This record gives sequence, structure tokens and C-alpha cells, in this order.
Amino acid sequence: AQSVTQLDSQVPVFEEAPVELRCNYSSSVSVYLFWYVQYPNQGLQLLLKYLSGSTLVKGINGFEAEFNKSQTSFHLRKPSVHISDTAEYFCASNTGGFKTIFGAGTRLFVKA
Amino acid sequence: GAGVSQSPRYKVAKRGQDVALRCDPISGHVSLFWYQQALGQGPEFLTYFQNEAQLDKSGLPSDRFFAERPEGSVSTLKIQRTQQEDSAVYLCASSFRSSPRRTEMNTEAFFGQGTRLTVV
Repeated sequence: AQSVTQLDSQVPVFEEAPVELRCNYSSSVSVYLFWYVQYPNQGLQLLLKYLSGSTLVKGINGFEAEFNKSQTSFHLRKPSVHISDTAEYFCASNTGGFKTIFGAGTRLFVKA
Repeated sequence: GAGVSQSPRYKVAKRGQDVALRCDPISGHVSLFWYQQALGQGPEFLTYFQNEAQLDKSGLPSDRFFAERPEGSVSTLKIQRTQQEDSAVYLCASSFRSSPRRTEMNTEAFFGQGTRLTVV
């Protein structure tokens, strides 16, 4: 069965510092992986996705993620965060069907 | 409209009351998804429509939950005899594609702001 684990429920970080949000997945078949961002009182917005090919995926707002099959991870990174990056971030997986499985989310809090 | 619209944004229901949640997808979008997001959790899949056909309803938690999309555009999620455990944010998403490569539907899905249901 598919599952997605986000290892940190909250990540506080100072502005302009780098950040990494961790995500591990489990699946017995090939997976497609996603990161979504949810700003307060808004819907989910797709940040980036991994379907195949290059394991380093670049997304919007300066975020990137690396697919690591041996470690079953898909960690999200940004070299320098802004106050406006404060939001909830969700890692998700899909094995090609209708269902996308989401992690529990990581709240990124950027401090001035 | 420009995005996925959900109404109402907030709903308070007394236990046992029936509720109906509406989703207006982006015009022309073929695929429509409903998700349930409990407090502090990620969204969980409820059901999927391709046009008016409900192709997957395996995520609906009980027979009190019912979804429809009769004309292939607006969708309604109905919950009968609401219980406190139904309290959650209900998210709707739509996507243009209906390709056999199903992942494409999920990679380009656009989410609404959700309806926050509180059952008291």
C-alpha cells in the first residue's frame, strides 16, 4: 500500500536561511511524487512534480526537490526563504490511478 | 470563473442535520475530485468524476456520503445525518485532462479554497 510520511510537523527558520522539508514514501510500484503548498485560507497549489527522468526537479518560487529511489525520499529544498514562504507544505504520491495520497503536512514558519 | 469555486466557505451543522457542499470547477474541466482534510492532516481522497460519471467512490467513508455531478460540471457532496467526526475541510479539485495516462490528471489539478464543515 502507498503511504507518505512527512517527518517534521513544523519547521521554524529565519528569513534568508536555507530550508529542507523531508518526505519519505512507500510503494511497491513506481510512484509519481508531488509537493503542494497551502497558504492560509487558500486551496492547494502545485509546487513541483516528479514523473520520470531527472531526479532533481525544479518548481515555482525557487523550490526544488530530489527524488531518491534508494532512500525512498523526495525532500523539498529552498536555498533562501522569504517571509512569504510561510505556509503548509504537503508531499503526495500517486501510482497512476485516481487517488493521490497526501502526507500530514509540514508547517513552515519563516521568522524575520 | 477563473478558478475552482466552493460554497459555502464555512458551514456549521447540528449533529444529525443533512448538508450539501457545492463545487464549481474550472469551465471545461473533465475531471473532478473531492477530498476530506481533517484538522492537522493531509487531504484524503473521497471520490472522482470524469464528466458526469463517478468512476471511483472508494474513499467515501460511509453510506451517509453521496456525491453527484449530473451535467458534468457543478458537483455536490451531500452528507446525511452529520456526525462530529465529519467535521473537516472538504476540498474540490478539477483537471482538464482525461488521458489514459492518469497521472496527468493529478499533475494538473486545481484546488478550490475548501468548505470548512463543523458539526456541533
